[in-house]
Amino acid sequence: DADVTQTPRNRITKTGKRIMLECSQTKGHDRMYWYRQDPGLGLRLIYYSFDVKDINKGEISDGYSVSRQAQAKFSLSLESAIPNQTALYFCATSDVRGQVNYNEQFFGPGTRLTVL
Amino acid sequence: RKEVEQDPGPFNVPEGATVAFNCTYSNSASQSFFWYRQDCRKEPKLLMSVYSSGNEDGRFTAQLNRASQYISLLIRDSKLSDSATYLCVVSPMTTDSWGKLQFGAGTQVVVTP
Repeated sequence: DADVTQTPRNRITKTGKRIMLECSQTKGHDRMYWYRQDPGLGLRLIYYSFDVKDINKGEISDGYSVSRQAQAKFSLSLESAIPNQTALYFCATSDVRGQVNYNEQFFGPGTRLTVL
Repeated sequence: RKEVEQDPGPFNVPEGATVAFNCTYSNSASQSFFWYRQDCRKEPKLLMSVYSSGNEDGRFTAQLNRASQYISLLIRDSKLSDSATYLCVVSPMTTDSWGKLQFGAGTQVVVTP
């Protein structure tokens, strides 16, 4: 079941290029998140959104921007990519209504980004 | 200091054996605790939540020690399919962190035949 999808799945780009990663969800969740994962560092939060009109910076937002186009869509942009943004990027969703584990987050399959 | 620390492993475990590992967290205000499982190059998925009294889900047992600020995961009768990286996840319940999760870097478990 592909409740959370990410496009592209893999991307190689050059330093200075603008790139957008897209995330869509069919879970009906209000909350969406963007993380990056680097070896030995775990997942780090880039940006998060608790509803369509809400955008918040995470711990490593510099060099990134986001857009919450609709409840189901949350895109991440790198305005001018640099090599240290090479990482595995995950989108996630969560919902606080009607769940026992209300903090459970559901992740997309990830986008592997390489910046040369 | 990292907010959530884990032994990266790998823990090499013979099939059928028991393996246990811990994670420590630095924020004493943390209220929710989880173990996620991540297969190689795949997305993390919730394995189990960790409750104050400890909880069990089949072959998996999770414990929380608030006084020492650590949680543990024990896997009994290990299966080859248990090979994965286990992420310790903590949710601090402060005003500016509501709904956010803090992830450890993961503990790799390799179950061998």
